[in-house]
Amino acid sequence: GAGVSQSPRYKVAKRGQDVALRCDPISGHVSLFWYQQALGQGPEFLTYFQNEAQLDKSGLPSDRFFAERPEGSVSTLKIQRTQQEDSAVYLCASSLGSRENIQYFGAGTRLSVL
Amino acid sequence: RKEVEQDPGPFNVPEGATVAFNCTYSNSASQSFFWYRQDCRKEPKLLMSVYSSGNEDGRFTAQLNRASQYISLLIRDSKLSDSATYLCVVNKETGRRALTFGSGTRLQVQP
Repeated sequence: GAGVSQSPRYKVAKRGQDVALRCDPISGHVSLFWYQQALGQGPEFLTYFQNEAQLDKSGLPSDRFFAERPEGSVSTLKIQRTQQEDSAVYLCASSLGSRENIQYFGAGTRLSVL
Repeated sequence: RKEVEQDPGPFNVPEGATVAFNCTYSNSASQSFFWYRQDCRKEPKLLMSVYSSGNEDGRFTAQLNRASQYISLLIRDSKLSDSATYLCVVNKETGRRALTFGSGTRLQVQP
């Protein structure tokens, strides 16, 4: 497909488990973003990559959250020792260049921590 | 105070009605402004960018008032398919790519 692809769509984790969420951006898009969306709220910024460089990680809520994009394409968001408050939809977005601000979102991964 | 504030609604309107949503933002240095639409359990999708001169796309009109730090969206001749949550979005700092979202305004268009 031509859009941003995320997997898995749904993830149930036991508290304390580690999880890894994958994002495949639109082909050729330089910029990649991760957002967290709690129920009834708008998405909140987590981190931003330009190619393989992580230029902004100011939104990551704790050191349990880690993101990478080693080859400048696919990205993985990892959450270690998950807690109940991590339950949310994790959205990935990409944009074409390094200056354009229009971001295209994937369908998200819905994480439930029990 | 939230950085981007919206009335959560819901706005319940009949088909064919005109409805307006407002949004205020706190950072006067904000650079770019957008309205995104989000259907239930779906991803946000760009509806339109917002410019100081105002812009229109079919039944949708967006306005930006930088002096008052206020953004609006007007929907004319509402359709059932317009039912969704409308997110006001701001890029608040030059050089930062992060978008800041409001909590959204829910619209329900009724037959």
